[in-house]
Amino acid sequence: AQSVAQPEDQVNVAEGNPLTVKCTYSVSGNPYLFWYVQYPNRGLQFLLKYITGDNLVKGSYGFEAEFNKSQTSFHLKKPSALVSDSALYFCAVRDINSGYALNFGKGTSLLVTP
Amino acid sequence: DGGITQSPKYLFRKEGQNVTLSCEQNLNHDAMYWYRQDPGQGLRLIYYSQIVNDFQKGDIAEGYSVSREKKESFPLTVTSAQKNPTAFYLCATATGGPYEQYFGPGTRLTVT
Repeated sequence: AQSVAQPEDQVNVAEGNPLTVKCTYSVSGNPYLFWYVQYPNRGLQFLLKYITGDNLVKGSYGFEAEFNKSQTSFHLKKPSALVSDSALYFCAVRDINSGYALNFGKGTSLLVTP
Repeated sequence: DGGITQSPKYLFRKEGQNVTLSCEQNLNHDAMYWYRQDPGQGLRLIYYSQIVNDFQKGDIAEGYSVSREKKESFPLTVTSAQKNPTAFYLCATATGGPYEQYFGPGTRLTVT
C-alpha cells in the first residue's frame, strides 16, 4: 500500500527562521508525492509535487521540498517563515490502485510566531 | 478553489435523514473524488470516479452513495446508514494520471 507519515502534529517556528515539516513515505514502485496547505474551514491548496527528476522541488509561496530516496523522506522547507504561513500542512502520495486518489498523512499544524 | 464549487458551505441535518452534497467543476477534468476530513485523521477517500457513469468505492464508502451522470457533477449522498456523518467533506478533481488534484472549498456537515 502507498502511504505517508507525518511524525509531528505541530511545528512551532519564529518568523524569519527556516521551517521544516517532515514527511516519510512507504510505496512500492515510483512515488508520486505532494504537499498541500489548508487554512481554517477551507479546501486544500496545492503547494508542490515530486514525480521524477530533480530531488529539490520548488513550489508556491517560496516553499520547496527535498526528495530523499535513501531516507524515504519528502520534507517541506522554507528558508524564512512568515506569520501567514501558519496553517495545516498535508503530505500525500498518489495511489495507483485507487484511480490515482491521494493517501494523506494526518497533517502537521504549523504555527509561526512574530 | 477556483473551478470547483461545493454547496452548501454549512449543512445541518437531523439524525436519520439522507443529505446530498453538491460538487460541480468547470475544469473539464475526467476524475473526481470525495474525501472526508476529521480532526487529527487527515483526509480519507470515500468514492472516486475516473469517467462518466463509472465510480468506485474508496476506503470508507459505507453509508455513502454517489452518481456521475455528467462530467461536471459528482454529488455525494450521506445516508442514514452512516454511523458518524458529522465531518468536513471535500471534493477534488484531476486530469487523470499521477498529477495533482484540485480541491473545492468543502462542505461542513453537522448531524444532530
